[in-house]
Amino acid sequence: DIQMTQSPSFLSASVGDRVTINCKASQNINKYLNWYQQKLGEAPKRLIYNTNNLQTGIPSRFSGSGSGTDYTLTISSLQPEDFATYFCLQHNSFPNTFGAGTKLELK
Amino acid sequence: QVQLQQSGTELVKPASSVKISCKASGYTFTSNYMHWIRQQPGNGLEWIGWIYPGNGNTKYNQKFDGKATLTADKSSSTAYMQLSSLTSEDSAVYFCARSRQLDYWGQGVMVTVSS
Repeated sequence: DIQMTQSPSFLSASVGDRVTINCKASQNINKYLNWYQQKLGEAPKRLIYNTNNLQTGIPSRFSGSGSGTDYTLTISSLQPEDFATYFCLQHNSFPNTFGAGTKLELK
Repeated sequence: QVQLQQSGTELVKPASSVKISCKASGYTFTSNYMHWIRQQPGNGLEWIGWIYPGNGNTKYNQKFDGKATLTADKSSSTAYMQLSSLTSEDSAVYFCARSRQLDYWGQGVMVTVSS
């Protein structure tokens, strides 16, 4: 199975900050990497698909980049509603595997 | 709009089985994969498998082979997952998610296994 190492596990930031979250795959996943936002008790919401494609309806402050084994989610200017948990998913190789998540907290 | 409505919280006894559902609306149920995912505190998210409702084909994560059985009812646009021989280690939130891209997710079902 492909291992997805996500960092950091916790991130403390302020409204207006620029933040980055990283996922490193144990092997090349050919950009088949999605990013999700999850709030307590809610369905996860897909933000980015296939590395850098913004889901319809998601604000443009969210962006994704990467290739090979290294991928990044960037939030350019944090808004109050962005404090949540974020995780990545690789869907290049069977079985799909997830990062462990990053909890983004208000400083 | 795409919606996946999952069934309610389950409290079940060890060694029993449970069947949870995921009712789809807003798209063609038979033309999209339905994935199932487990989320446990401390263990993160694990992909269980998928079913293609159009022909009933399934694929499972080897870890869940024999534990999870995926089915789908085309007439009601509902996907099901049965979990068998439950132990406390199966206590988790279980999600369904649509398509190869896992683009839309249900709200999750909390399953607690306890005597």
